[in-house]
Amino acid sequence: EAQVTQNPRYLITVTGKKLTVTCSQNMNHEYMSWYRQDPGLGLRQIYYSMNVEVTDKGDVPEGYKVSRKEKRNFPLILESPSPNQTSLYFCASSFRDRGQGNQPQHFGDGTRLSIL
Amino acid sequence: KQEVTQIPAALSVPEGENLVLNCSFTDSAIYNLQWFRQDPGKGLTSLLLIQSSQREQTSGRLNASLDKSSGRSTLYIAASQPGDSATYLCAAPTARGNNRLAFGKGNQVVVIP
Repeated sequence: EAQVTQNPRYLITVTGKKLTVTCSQNMNHEYMSWYRQDPGLGLRQIYYSMNVEVTDKGDVPEGYKVSRKEKRNFPLILESPSPNQTSLYFCASSFRDRGQGNQPQHFGDGTRLSIL
Repeated sequence: KQEVTQIPAALSVPEGENLVLNCSFTDSAIYNLQWFRQDPGKGLTSLLLIQSSQREQTSGRLNASLDKSSGRSTLYIAASQPGDSATYLCAAPTARGNNRLAFGKGNQVVVIP
């Protein structure tokens, strides 16, 4: 089954304790990205990757890191989490759009992070 | 910068009524627009992707239209059912690439049995 898998689904942790949220897709997609969703603010993009070893900042990258060493995986790293990073996080993937506008994005089920 | 607006933020309709959800976007130089459904505490499920060349896309009781010239898209859900209760999100590509999406804040729909 084609899917985007995020782990963990839920995590409660404390300020300053490094954590990694994993994202894996089995559709051979070039493009992957991370979003956070907050009440009243909607979905905002954190980082994205157009392919292996190619990553770039989204709209709210502060406090986050990513890496793309393999095509299927795109982990999100919080080196020193703070309470303002408490949020619902989504990973998404798609084939790279080459101007046709025909590549839908597929989302994972989300990771709910609480930073105390 | 692409900005996407969805109005109303929330609405309730009796079962059986048709639903009309509106989305507007500021940058009309887009190749597509995508509608998603989100259930509470869940991820996003892609409902329809309308390519700019298509103007309209249908799937079952769902129909989405796209008018680039006016910067608007509409999602129609015919004969609504309680199972249609969810938040519906509209997303348009940003100026920096078709893969990067800007999202509206959603239309939260409740269908009353």
